[in-house]
Amino acid sequence: GAVVSQHPSWVICKSGTSVKIECRSLDFQATTMFWYRQFPKQSLMLMATSNEGSKATYEQGVEKDKFLINHASLTLSTLTVTSAHPEDSSFYICSARQQGATDTQYFGPGTRLTVL
Amino acid sequence: GNSVTQMEGPVTLSEEAFLTINCTYTATGYPSLFWYVQYPGEGLQLLLKATKADDKGSNKGFEATYRKETTSFHLEKGSVQVSDSAVYFCALRRQQGGSEKLVFGKGMKLTVNP
Repeated sequence: GAVVSQHPSWVICKSGTSVKIECRSLDFQATTMFWYRQFPKQSLMLMATSNEGSKATYEQGVEKDKFLINHASLTLSTLTVTSAHPEDSSFYICSARQQGATDTQYFGPGTRLTVL
Repeated sequence: GNSVTQMEGPVTLSEEAFLTINCTYTATGYPSLFWYVQYPGEGLQLLLKATKADDKGSNKGFEATYRKETTSFHLEKGSVQVSDSAVYFCALRRQQGGSEKLVFGKGMKLTVNP
């Protein structure tokens, strides 16, 4: 099946620094990518939807200036957590929807962010 | 609003035991319903889905039936294996602002012992 990768798989950073997480669709073109956040023992919460070549659409309550999303190509989307703080520590998961296939999202393995 | 409630674990079963994971939903309209599975170290994978009432989704021995009258989509498997150890997420797909989005339950961790 389709494969989505994320890099890095985990990252530890100091408070106030910015962290970039990459999401790649390895064997298909993804017109739409989604970014989720998952807290321990909680469900995945959709943060934003990004379409290739256009601005991301953020869910209510998600700060767009804090979580910068770029979807520059059909195989790559990036999430940058700017000026990270300990409360941003979480598990970030991306998914990608194949071009022309509205039914299925393929998920990456997630990135564990720890902000000290 | 749209939400998914699923039984919380963790749950530990012996191999060949019967599995049921309850899932109920709240939604406007008639959403599509999904079960996703996340094996250790991997991303979520679609396990099965149902798009309308009374549909039954099935895959790898797992089954779930879309019950509109009880707004449920319970996951069942007659005989679990060690390889079924994973986290299971129930989800619905909602329409919002011209796009479709997934709403997930909290997930349930299943461990199957030999």
